[in-house]
Amino acid sequence: GDSVTQMEGPVTLSEEAFLTINCTYTATGYPSLFWYVQYPGEGLQLLLKATKADDKGSNKGFEATYRKETTSFHLEKGSVQVSDSAVYFCALSNSNYQLIWGAGTKLIIKP
Amino acid sequence: GAVVSQHPSWVICKSGTSVKIECRSLDFQATTMFWYRQFPKQSLMLMATSNEGSKATYEQGVEKDKFLINHASLTLSTLTVTSAHPEDSSFYICSARDRGGQRYNSPLHFGNGTRLTVT
Repeated sequence: GDSVTQMEGPVTLSEEAFLTINCTYTATGYPSLFWYVQYPGEGLQLLLKATKADDKGSNKGFEATYRKETTSFHLEKGSVQVSDSAVYFCALSNSNYQLIWGAGTKLIIKP
Repeated sequence: GAVVSQHPSWVICKSGTSVKIECRSLDFQATTMFWYRQFPKQSLMLMATSNEGSKATYEQGVEKDKFLINHASLTLSTLTVTSAHPEDSSFYICSARDRGGQRYNSPLHFGNGTRLTVT
């Protein structure tokens, strides 16, 4: 079945460092891809999405490009801040209306 | 943007009692809402899919009689944890898909979650 694999955490970086959180997927057809973020003590919120190959989703300085050839949707940010500390979830939505989640990656940014 | 309100945000109850959690879509109609459970340091576990006006669809291993779901209107779904026990303590999150965006590339909108502690 469809699945999402993302890098294990926690990922610990210093402020202003470059961030990459890897996400790869397995799916039939043409899923949509999402990154969700969960800040401490809060619920999940959509960070960005891409609905077709080569689309780039972006929000709050984060970017991810839908790469069908490598079945990847890696999350990147050029300069992270302490306020970016959160848990990040990669997910795909398939044509059966299922939302398949990655395990989540905890990001810790140190000042 | 679309807002989902989940209430209460936290609740402490005694073992054996029941707790109701509400999930409301504030500015859109949701024919489908989802209930998740999140264990510490783990990802979300889908518990059930709630469809307006019909019975919920439960995932394998989720007790229907213990986790009662009602989706009485296009803006409200409720999860009732019946006869709660300490092992039911967890973080419960609901989400909704905008009725106007039923395509599978429409994102879900999440509530802020409810932290349930059963003593």
